[in-house]
Amino acid sequence: EDQVTQSPEALRLQEGESSSLNCSYTVSGLRGLFWYRQDPGKGPEFLFTLYSAGEEKEKERLKATLTKKESFLHITAPKPEDSATYLCAVQEYAGKSTFGDGTTLTVKP
Amino acid sequence: DGGITQSPKYLFRKEGQNVTLSCEQNLNHDAMYWYRQDPGQGLRLIYYSQIVNDFQKGDIAEGYSVSREKKESFPLTVTSAQKNPTAFYLCASSMFASGNTEAFFGQGTRLTVV
Repeated sequence: EDQVTQSPEALRLQEGESSSLNCSYTVSGLRGLFWYRQDPGKGPEFLFTLYSAGEEKEKERLKATLTKKESFLHITAPKPEDSATYLCAVQEYAGKSTFGDGTTLTVKP
Repeated sequence: DGGITQSPKYLFRKEGQNVTLSCEQNLNHDAMYWYRQDPGQGLRLIYYSQIVNDFQKGDIAEGYSVSREKKESFPLTVTSAQKNPTAFYLCASSMFASGNTEAFFGQGTRLTVV
């Protein structure tokens, strides 16, 4: 059975304090790993897709990386507007993605 | 603007009632999904459909039913058999049923049992 574990559950940062979120997974064959951002009471918003170990993607202050066992979402010099829950999902075969429980990030000014 | 529309935003259900949540997309996506989210938890898959008139159970399908009569519509019915239906329900779609493409989500329906 697919397992996706995100850590930490919650992360509080000061504005400008860089950090990383972790997504560990166990699947027999990875088709894709996805990162989403979710604001309270809203649907998740797509950030990145990673397909193979060693791949990296960047968008503004966010950078996602992938190894064979885990993915990291690095946040550089975060701002208060980066506060949200970040969800990781892995897709083993077409139609079925398994989501982690998310990391809730709070960035204080 | 293209996107996914869920309605209603809030829904209240009495014990023993069936209720239907609406999901419409104008993205011309092949695949559509229903997820349930409980507080502090990730998304759990209820049902998904890769093509019109076909759908598969996800991890927590008991007490739910769906239909896919049109490509753009994927309604979810929460039946009285679902004993704990209070949750946030999210509909999503993705471009290709067989591909590993990202999902686009609606804004959710919050269902409460009263």
